[in-house]
Amino acid sequence: GQSLEQPSEVTAVEGAIVQINCTYQTSGFYGLSWYQQHDGGAPTFLSYNALDGLEETGRFSSFLSRSDSYGYLLLQELQMKDSASYFCAVRARNYGGSQGNLIFGKGTKLSVKP
Amino acid sequence: GAVVSQHPSWVICKSGTSVKIECRSLDFQATTMFWYRQFPKQSLMLMATSNEGSKATYEQGVEKDKFLINHASLTLSTLTVTSAHPEDSSFYICSARDTAGGTKETFYGYTFGSGTRLTVV
Repeated sequence: GQSLEQPSEVTAVEGAIVQINCTYQTSGFYGLSWYQQHDGGAPTFLSYNALDGLEETGRFSSFLSRSDSYGYLLLQELQMKDSASYFCAVRARNYGGSQGNLIFGKGTKLSVKP
Repeated sequence: GAVVSQHPSWVICKSGTSVKIECRSLDFQATTMFWYRQFPKQSLMLMATSNEGSKATYEQGVEKDKFLINHASLTLSTLTVTSAHPEDSSFYICSARDTAGGTKETFYGYTFGSGTRLTVV
């Protein structure tokens, strides 16, 4: 089966840096992605890693180590608006010619305090 | 960029009635669409995968006779919750996969609708 583990909650203050870890177990690997979801909203794509290393997109960076089945999302210069849930996700293995769906971790609720 | 329109954004219905949720890809073709359900403070769980022109594939534990999925065209998929009950109250989100593959910025084609908050009273 496929599963992803991430912390349930993280709290940090404005201006700080926070790292959200994700470990995964998959049958076949097609990349690790990160989504942000505010309360009542739909997931918003943040970042994607297919290869080992760091991907930087503004204040957000994502890292992947395929040998460790591990990745993390790094949020810098935290702002109040970053308070949200963050999900890591992998693609399920394609089967029968259909496109694999995304499998999500349980999500990490980030609370940014003043 | 790729946009998926999902309607309605919220709906309240009486127990025993049916509700239809529509998911439309606006500027790309989607051979495959996914329907997810999210209960409060939980993750997104895949309910079913719909492929244009064929029957949907349902995940274990999801009643196909209760959650009817139709994917009649490359840009439209609908989810109908039949005989809704309070336990069906949830956030339903569709995701359309770009047939052309998409770009890295959309994780190679996964674009989400804005979600539908269903409350059954």
